[in-house]
Amino acid sequence: EPEVTQTPSHQVTQMGQEVILRCVPISNHLYFYWYRQILGQKVEFLVSFYNNEISEKSEIFDDQFSVERPDGSNFTLKIRSTKLEDSAMYFCASRVSGTGGNQPQHFGDGTRLSIL
Amino acid sequence: GDSVTQMEGPVTLSEEAFLTINCTYTATGYPSLFWYVQYPGEGLQLLLKATKADDKGSNKGFEATYRKETTSFHLEKGSVQVSDSAVYFCALNRDDKIIFGKGTRLHILP
Repeated sequence: EPEVTQTPSHQVTQMGQEVILRCVPISNHLYFYWYRQILGQKVEFLVSFYNNEISEKSEIFDDQFSVERPDGSNFTLKIRSTKLEDSAMYFCASRVSGTGGNQPQHFGDGTRLSIL
Repeated sequence: GDSVTQMEGPVTLSEEAFLTINCTYTATGYPSLFWYVQYPGEGLQLLLKATKADDKGSNKGFEATYRKETTSFHLEKGSVQVSDSAVYFCALNRDDKIIFGKGTRLHILP
């Protein structure tokens, strides 16, 4: 069964450094998402992306965050200058076309980001 | 805003026991509802879904019924196995964003 792939599985970065988290969505999917889960808290929506632009973003997704689909297969999340509170598990998700409310989003295994 | 509340864990059961994990939601209208499962060391996998009131989602012996009267979507399984040990997340879809509950950790003892 096709799946969403995320790399790396664990990323350790010094505070203030830039980090890029990578995702390969399922190949025929057209809608892409990033979520995060701070330890002990709920999984939270960060951003959705379709047709090479951001569809919606949460208040968490400030100017330090950006997303990109640099080629036909990868979808990346960049944090420009990391802060301690960015430490979390980051999940990428994708879905096929169709009504967004009914189509399930398929998630990757996540990247655990640790900021020192 | 919309939210999902699910029972606190961990839940510990013996193999072959009956499982219920309670989930209630607060939302306007009738959003699609989901259960996701996270096995140790893995990502979030869709377990089942229901898109409208009175729908029953089912998969791998798990079931949940969309109850609009009680705004609930409780997860049930008649006979759990050790391999069902995982974290279970109830969720709803609002405007193409998944809103998750906090998750319930399930331990099944052999």
